[in-house]
Amino acid sequence: NAGVTQTPKFQVLKTGQSMTLQCAQDMNHNSMYWYRQDPGMGLRLIYYSASEGTTDKGEVPNGYNVSRLNKREFSLRLESAAPSQTSVYFCASWGWAGSYEQYFGPGTRLTVT
Amino acid sequence: DAKTTQPPSMDCAEGRAANLPCNHSTISGNEYVYWYRQIHSQGPQYIIHGLKNNETNEMASLIITEDRKSSTLILPHATLRDTAVYYCIVGTDSWGKLQFGAGTQVVVTP
Repeated sequence: NAGVTQTPKFQVLKTGQSMTLQCAQDMNHNSMYWYRQDPGMGLRLIYYSASEGTTDKGEVPNGYNVSRLNKREFSLRLESAAPSQTSVYFCASWGWAGSYEQYFGPGTRLTVT
Repeated sequence: DAKTTQPPSMDCAEGRAANLPCNHSTISGNEYVYWYRQIHSQGPQYIIHGLKNNETNEMASLIITEDRKSSTLILPHATLRDTAVYYCIVGTDSWGKLQFGAGTQVVVTP
């Protein structure tokens, strides 16, 4: 079990460029999430997908789009990157493991110059 | 607005118990108290959660006051590897949306 995987691990973009962050989980979880974490701050929810085929906005959705490609994969797209989007991005999935808990990926460190 | 209040930092000696407080005075009847930790910018890791009864697992114990307005996470024998930011989060079991605050930076010293 790889758990939650994210690609890439690091990325540098120029302002205005676009990119897609990939996330996959192999735990057969229904729900998946994208968070961002700015230096010295807690995580903030960008978008989530309660189940395959559904997505909803979280606390900070502006500038992002998501796609729940199938039950395993949930991608986050930056259409026109801005320096304010420099952050660490975490993907997570939610499911049963004796109790419900959220599993996080290792993160993608994104810098927008 | 944050639903929980935690001290920004605390130190603990290796081998001693670490007691991490959390206030959640506006908690609703169907909301759980969750604890996660984040070691050096890795993805957060689930520790424990509870509704109203005290809970214990292999990592920690969670003590929730009778009025549920506060709780304490106890790491019984802190090790250097327990140095991390600890997040106390209040939420329901549905959907798994978690609202992270700034957490408590715990430093375990030899």
